[in-house]
Formats: sequence, structure tokens, C-alpha cells
Amino acid sequence: NAGVIQTPRHKVTGKGQEATLWCEPISGHSAVFWYRQTIVQGLEFLTYFRNQAPIDDSGMPKERFSAQMPNQSHSTLKIQSTQPQDSAVYLCASSLAREDTQYFGPGTRLLVL
Amino acid sequence: GDQVKQSPSALSLQEGTNSALRCNFSIATTTVQWFLQNPRGSLMNLFYLVPGTKENGRLKSTFNSKESYSTLHIRDAQLEDSGTYFCAAEGGGADRLTFGKGTQLIIQP
Repeated sequence: NAGVIQTPRHKVTGKGQEATLWCEPISGHSAVFWYRQTIVQGLEFLTYFRNQAPIDDSGMPKERFSAQMPNQSHSTLKIQSTQPQDSAVYLCASSLAREDTQYFGPGTRLLVL
Repeated sequence: GDQVKQSPSALSLQEGTNSALRCNFSIATTTVQWFLQNPRGSLMNLFYLVPGTKENGRLKSTFNSKESYSTLHIRDAQLEDSGTYFCAAEGGGADRLTFGKGTQLIIQP
């Protein structure tokens, strides 16, 4: 069991560029969650999918951020026109069932210059 | 205010001593998870709790849903226990986790 896989581990983009982050959940897990961690805000929920369907995106910034789960083996988080305030560690987690342990990936450290 | 309030925010201990970390919840909480974030940034699972108590080696955690708090006790602290401990609440019908700000724990020899 490789755990949750996130790629890339580090990404540097220029202001205004697009960034796509990838997550591969643990095989057989039905839910995928995205969180963001910054020094100032701490760990914040962004969005989540269950059985590939979007369930809750209440934490997603309304503009420029989007997430998809085209198949059960991966999810993407896309940030358009990146801004310096988007710099953060983006964490993906998966869980087997509802109200179950969430297992986190190593994160993608995004730096927007 | 903070929906999940962790205390203390930082703690320094001598190796071999005991400590207790606490989280207070001001949101409806059904389950609690405790994590240790290591210096590389990885979040390692420590406990998943419904109301009650669990123990794993030198770690023991309790979730009291009636009084809306959870505690993590570390016994005989070791150098490898150093890192940032986070608690997270799940509840109110939402599967997402709401995290506390963390407790930075430093174990000194």
C-alpha cells in the first residue's frame, strides 16, 4: 500500500500562470479530500468527492480554483491565474467510508512568485 | 472564534516526562482525529475516535462528546515524539475535517 500519492511534490509558478495538482487516493477508498495549509490560516478544507461525485466544495475559493475526479484513481486541483496568496501546501486525503479515518498524502508545496 | 481550539500552542518537555494536549470544540463533533506532523510535513495518523478512549503504546486519547473536548496524553516522551500535533473534528453531517491550530512539541534530551 503506497498510501496517498501526490504529484508534484514541489511546484513554482509565476503570477498569472496555471497550476495543476494531482492526487492518487489509496486503492479502494471512496472519498477524496483536498485541504490547504498555510502558516497564517493553518489547515483548511477545500473540497471533497465521494465515489467520484463532488459532495462539498464549501472551502474552495469561488474564482480560479476547480477540482475534478475523472476516475476513481485520481483527482486534480487546478488553480488558474495563480496569485502569491495561493502559495501553500496542498494536501490530499482519502478515506474508505463515511465517518472514517482520513489518510493524508505528503502534499504539494506550491510557491507563486 | 476558533471552532477547534488547541492548547497549549507550544510545549517543551524533557525526555521521559509526560504531557497532555487538549482540544475544545465549539462545533458539533461526531468523531475526532489526532495527527502528528513531522518535520518533513507529513501528517501521520495517531487516533480516530468516537466518544471514548483509545490507547496505543505510550499514547492515550479520549474524546468526551458531552463536554466537547478531546485530550492526547503522551507518556515517557521520546525524542521522536517531537513535531506538531493536530486534532481535527468531523461532525454535523459533514465529512470534512476542521483542524485546530496545532501544538508544537519539542522533546529535549
